[in-house]
Amino acid sequence: DAKTTQPPSMDCAEGRAANLPCNHSTISGNEYVYWYRQIHSQGPQYIIHGLKNNETNEMASLIITEDRKSSTLILPHATLRDTAVYYCIVRTGANSKLTFGKGITLSVRP
Amino acid sequence: GAVVSQHPSWVICKSGTSVKIECRSLDFQATTMFWYRQFPKQSLMLMATSNEGSKATYEQGVEKDKFLINHASLTLSTLTVTSAHPEDSSFYICSAREGKSAKNIQYFGAGTRLSVL
Repeated sequence: DAKTTQPPSMDCAEGRAANLPCNHSTISGNEYVYWYRQIHSQGPQYIIHGLKNNETNEMASLIITEDRKSSTLILPHATLRDTAVYYCIVRTGANSKLTFGKGITLSVRP
Repeated sequence: GAVVSQHPSWVICKSGTSVKIECRSLDFQATTMFWYRQFPKQSLMLMATSNEGSKATYEQGVEKDKFLINHASLTLSTLTVTSAHPEDSSFYICSAREGKSAKNIQYFGAGTRLSVL
């Protein structure tokens, strides 16, 4: 599976949009981009995933560039409860497994 | 999203004893289950992958005789840490997925914190 690169940390103000970048320049055509987050001392929580098109659900939006080499997770109105480590993972087909990197620590400040 | 239940949420045991952790998929059939381990301030490390009715596949460096994994049904997998020692103290997290396609979402349990005295 392709590797991903994320900045180690970022912060944003409560109520503002949080834009979390991810670089996956070696992604293959059949690899999906997945985002999870882990709040302290809990198991990872699925957020969203996509292949080519932008995706939106009740938690977030995922914007994938046309060349698929990078993506951005957008939390439209960050709250204090969104403070967590966010993992961007690319995953291919059958029998694939999720390999976690270091992720990006998002701190939402009041 | 789908629910993966993990039990117990934390356990303390004496060195040399065995501990069993259960992982259940509550509202879907888990074709594949995964076990991860996470040490403080580190990321999740995959320990093993198991398909229902088959032997688990362990990642390099993970002792299969120490970490026994059973995936006897489509909704239940267990991890037994045998002869636990203090260095096995960690946060163990299970995960489950229905189907094998990359678009099938993998869901995680809440984790089990193991402390070996």
